Amino acid sequence: ETGVTQTPRHLVMGMTNKKSLKCEQHLGHNAMYWYKQSAKKPLELMFVYNFKEQTENNSVPSRFSPECPNSSHLFLHLHTLQPEDSALYLCASSLPPSGGNSPLHFGNGTRLTVT
Amino acid sequence: TQLLEQSPQFLSIQEGENLTVYCNSSSVFSSLQWYRQEPGEGPVLLVTVVTGGEVKKLKRLTFQFGDARKDSSLHITAAQPGDTGLYLCAGPLIQGAQKLVFGQGTRLTINP
Repeated sequence: ETGVTQTPRHLVMGMTNKKSLKCEQHLGHNAMYWYKQSAKKPLELMFVYNFKEQTENNSVPSRFSPECPNSSHLFLHLHTLQPEDSALYLCASSLPPSGGNSPLHFGNGTRLTVT
Repeated sequence: TQLLEQSPQFLSIQEGENLTVYCNSSSVFSSLQWYRQEPGEGPVLLVTVVTGGEVKKLKRLTFQFGDARKDSSLHITAAQPGDTGLYLCAGPLIQGAQKLVFGQGTRLTINP
């Protein structure tokens, strides 16, 4: 058990669908993240939330819309996605950084396929 | 151009052999983290190195941070099938920053 739970584990959606990814952490952390992991590319940071406030948007297209209602929950709302958005979407949490050494705790990801 | 280059990208060896994988950059990092990701799971932190020249050991795994804090290596002694996975290095662009950059990873396979 990772302490960070992501649902669903797998998602197949058409380009006109609207779906949401959910992440929940039980570690008492105050920072939450969305990362995208594509084949043959490094992990890409998408969004960062600290104490429910978005502090980083890494030039992510507006078809990805994050929501953080509280420090334990994070959502990624998806609409009108493209096939190239197919990837593993990873949620992570951490304590706020202390000297940059705060490690990330990842969930097991949602494998998204856009058809 | 990637800030963190990992090599090799793929490595397949027999159980019992030793191996070293590398994480290199032209930039100085205040710290580097190593993660291992197994199939179907998210990355799990193995170690954080902070001081130039630092060596940390985790059972059969030895991590070293370069003196100039631009590179790091992971050496595994007597590899076992359970060591199979994707090894990722990551570091903050700016000291204290939450934005980590990741290398593309080394996919390691240990054959019984």
